Amino acid sequence: AQSVTQPDIHITVSEGASLELRCNYSYGATPYLFWYVQSPGQGLQLLLKYFSGDTLVQGIKGFEAEFKRSQSSFNLRKPSVHWSDAAEYFCAVGGGSSASKIIFGSGTRLSIRP
Amino acid sequence: DTAVSQTPKYLVTQMGNDKSIKCEQNLGHDTMYWYKQDSKKFLKIMFSYNNKELIINETVPNRFSPKSPDKAHLNLHINSLELGDSAVYFCASSQESRTGAHEQYFGPGTRLTVT
Repeated sequence: AQSVTQPDIHITVSEGASLELRCNYSYGATPYLFWYVQSPGQGLQLLLKYFSGDTLVQGIKGFEAEFKRSQSSFNLRKPSVHWSDAAEYFCAVGGGSSASKIIFGSGTRLSIRP
Repeated sequence: DTAVSQTPKYLVTQMGNDKSIKCEQNLGHDTMYWYKQDSKKFLKIMFSYNNKELIINETVPNRFSPKSPDKAHLNLHINSLELGDSAVYFCASSQESRTGAHEQYFGPGTRLTVT
């Protein structure tokens, strides 16, 4: 069965510091991987996605993620965080068929230290 | 130009009442979804419709009934509301393709509080 694990419930980093949010997945076939961000009181916004090709994908707001099949990971990175990046981040995995679901991880809450 | 919109944004009601949440998307997508997000932020899919046909129906009490009058709309009706139904409900849409690529676009959510 497909699943997503985000091992960090809450992370605090200083403004300007680099960020890495971890995501591990379990999926029987080639996964479709996503990172979403949810600001307080808002819906989810897609940051980036991986379907195939280059394993390093660029997203919006300066985020990037790297797909590592050998480690079943899809970690999200940003070289320098801004106070506005404080939010909840969700990793998700889905399949290639139109009837497949997207399974979301439990989320990582990011706080920014001034 | 809101892509996925939901009404109402907030809904406070008493146990036992019946309520509906409406969702509309103007992205031209053919698939729509309802998710429930609990107080711990855990996001779980409830239903999915593709071209007005129900394709995903998770283990959800049958007090919850989705209805899709057309591809752009997906409503959620809840009968006999219970305290445990309190949550944020998100609507989402996506465009299915031959490759199955289906990033989803989310609405702003409806915060339901049952007292």
